[in-house]
Amino acid sequence: EAQVTQNPRYLITVTGKKLTVTCSQNMNHEYMSWYRQDPGLGLRQIYYSMNVEVTDKGDVPEGYKVSRKEKRNFPLILESPSPNQTSLYFCASRGGSIRRDEQFFGPGTRLTVL
Amino acid sequence: AQSVTQLDSHVSVSEGTPVLLRCNYSSSYSPSLFWYVQHPNKGLQLLLKYTSAATLVKGINGFEAEFKKSETSFHLTKPSAHMSDAAEYFCVVSAMNTGFQKLVFGTGTRLLVSP
Repeated sequence: EAQVTQNPRYLITVTGKKLTVTCSQNMNHEYMSWYRQDPGLGLRQIYYSMNVEVTDKGDVPEGYKVSRKEKRNFPLILESPSPNQTSLYFCASRGGSIRRDEQFFGPGTRLTVL
Repeated sequence: AQSVTQLDSHVSVSEGTPVLLRCNYSSSYSPSLFWYVQHPNKGLQLLLKYTSAATLVKGINGFEAEFKKSETSFHLTKPSAHMSDAAEYFCVVSAMNTGFQKLVFGTGTRLLVSP
């Protein structure tokens, strides 16, 4: 089954404790993105990747890092989490032509930073 | 720059009545537009997409949307609401960012369906 998986689905942590949220897709997609969803703000892009070793900042990159060492994986790293990073996070992937194809979303990771 | 405005944060309907979720967009070129649905505690699912073919787009679960360039609108409709339609709906425009498709999301419309 074609899918995007994220782990963990739920995470409660404390300020300053480094964490990684993993994302993996099995569709051989070149493009992958991370979004955060906050009430009243919709989804905002954090980082994106056009291919292996090619990543760039989205709209809200502060406090996050990413890496793309393999095509299928795109982990999101919070080196020193803070309470304002409490949010619902989605990973997405897309293949095909640049503008026309839909993005496939993972199930989301709900992060709480105390 | 591309943007979308969802005109209602909440819409309440009765089961069996029509649904209208409004979306206006702004784009400096011919846009790609999408509607996504998010059920409680679930990820996002594509309902339908407009990619410059037919202006009336049919999606899953009986939803459809009409692209109106003169009004810069892409409203989502369904003739008869079902309880299972209760969810949050996002209107999305595709923007280009250094050759990469970036999705710009509206703030969402929560659809409430009462018996």
